[in-house]
Amino acid sequence: DTEVTQTPKHLVMGMTNKKSLKCEQHMGHRAMYWYKQKAKKPPELMFVYSYEKLSINESVPSRFSPECPNSSLLNLHLHALQPEDSALYLCASSQEGTGRTPYGYTFGSGTRLTVV
Amino acid sequence: ILNVEQSPQSLHVQEGDSTNFTCSFPSSNFYALHWYRWETAKSPEALFVMTLNGDEKKKGRISATLNTKEGYSYLYIKGSQPEDSATYLCAFDYGQNFVFGPGTRLSVLP
Repeated sequence: DTEVTQTPKHLVMGMTNKKSLKCEQHMGHRAMYWYKQKAKKPPELMFVYSYEKLSINESVPSRFSPECPNSSLLNLHLHALQPEDSALYLCASSQEGTGRTPYGYTFGSGTRLTVV
Repeated sequence: ILNVEQSPQSLHVQEGDSTNFTCSFPSSNFYALHWYRWETAKSPEALFVMTLNGDEKKKGRISATLNTKEGYSYLYIKGSQPEDSATYLCAFDYGQNFVFGPGTRLSVLP
């Protein structure tokens, strides 16, 4: 298995809803990442988990809450989002346990989130 | 703030044309430079990871060069095909993390 799987592919949620995004990989990668990508902009890093511990939080608002239950799973819990949070949320993983990625990232295809 | 730039922003070429585009990045704190191809509705796909000044890498019709002293990398596509249509992202790895460039959107017209 050489893929990163993200579910759901599309999500529409209201501003009072609570939802979760899920990311899964079975490549034995030790680092997992959440990125946010708005239209015509590069992906922006949100969180990095290294060996199942949160190692980087790029000043993301608390309405986004990451969770890494085990080395293969990464969740992003969403609560009280704003319409401007609508974006493509990408998950990625890398073999190494830090930001160093000599083999590159493996990306999922993303969750397209719309907040109404 | 680390600045990674790519040019051009978008490019339209005819099938069979060769093309190239540029990624500029800081020349300090360099660890690696990555190139990704991102087709619409798919996952970004890693093309190359380049670490040494003067590196040249090739994958089929696509190749890349790296100059870490002056802070740029070129991506070349020889004999473009419609299936090469995608956004090409470079990412500057400074050892702690990545910074992505804004991408070059390539359209290859049949």
